[in-house]
Amino acid sequence: DAKTTQPNSMESNEEEPVHLPCNHSTISGTDYIHWYRQLPSQGPEYVIHGLTSNVNNRMASLAIAEDRKSSTLILHRATLRDAAVYYCILRGGGADGLTFGKGTHLIIQP
Amino acid sequence: DGGITQSPKYLFRKEGQNVTLSCEQNLNHDAMYWYRQDPGQGLRLIYYSQIVNDFQKGDIAEGYSVSREKKESFPLTVTSAQKNPTAFYLCASSTHQGTSYEQYFGPGTRLTVT
Repeated sequence: DAKTTQPNSMESNEEEPVHLPCNHSTISGTDYIHWYRQLPSQGPEYVIHGLTSNVNNRMASLAIAEDRKSSTLILHRATLRDAAVYYCILRGGGADGLTFGKGTHLIIQP
Repeated sequence: DGGITQSPKYLFRKEGQNVTLSCEQNLNHDAMYWYRQDPGQGLRLIYYSQIVNDFQKGDIAEGYSVSREKKESFPLTVTSAQKNPTAFYLCASSTHQGTSYEQYFGPGTRLTVT
């Protein structure tokens, strides 16, 4: 699986937007970009995924660079419940397992 | 409610004993997965199964065994051959439909071996 690079940690204030970056310069043409998040002592939770176009859902938005070598997860208005570790994962087609890095630890200040 | 259940939440065992972790899903998903997480690290894939009676080794399968006799169940046995079994174990499932293959995770079992 192609590798992703994320900052170890980021800090933001409650009710402000958060932009979480991910670099994936070796992405292949068939790799989807997936984001999961993990709250303390819980299992990860799917957030969003995309291939080429920007994507929106009720949790977040995913902005994908035109060359697909980077992407940004956008939380439009952070709450304290968004404090978690966020993982950016590349996934080819199929139901194989996911390859997790260390992710970005997002800290939300009240 | 549909979802994945793992039991127990906490498990304590003595070194040298085999232990089996339970994972059940009622999502009608074909694929199921086992991951291990150590403190401060991401998840690592142990085993996965895309269909009943079939499974594949993940990145760290040594010292573990699985079975998939029913679609809804995928138990993991941590054997005495696993050198560092103390960890947080997570089970997941996913459908083969569409392109997402979004994985749904259980709450995890925290295993401590002393």
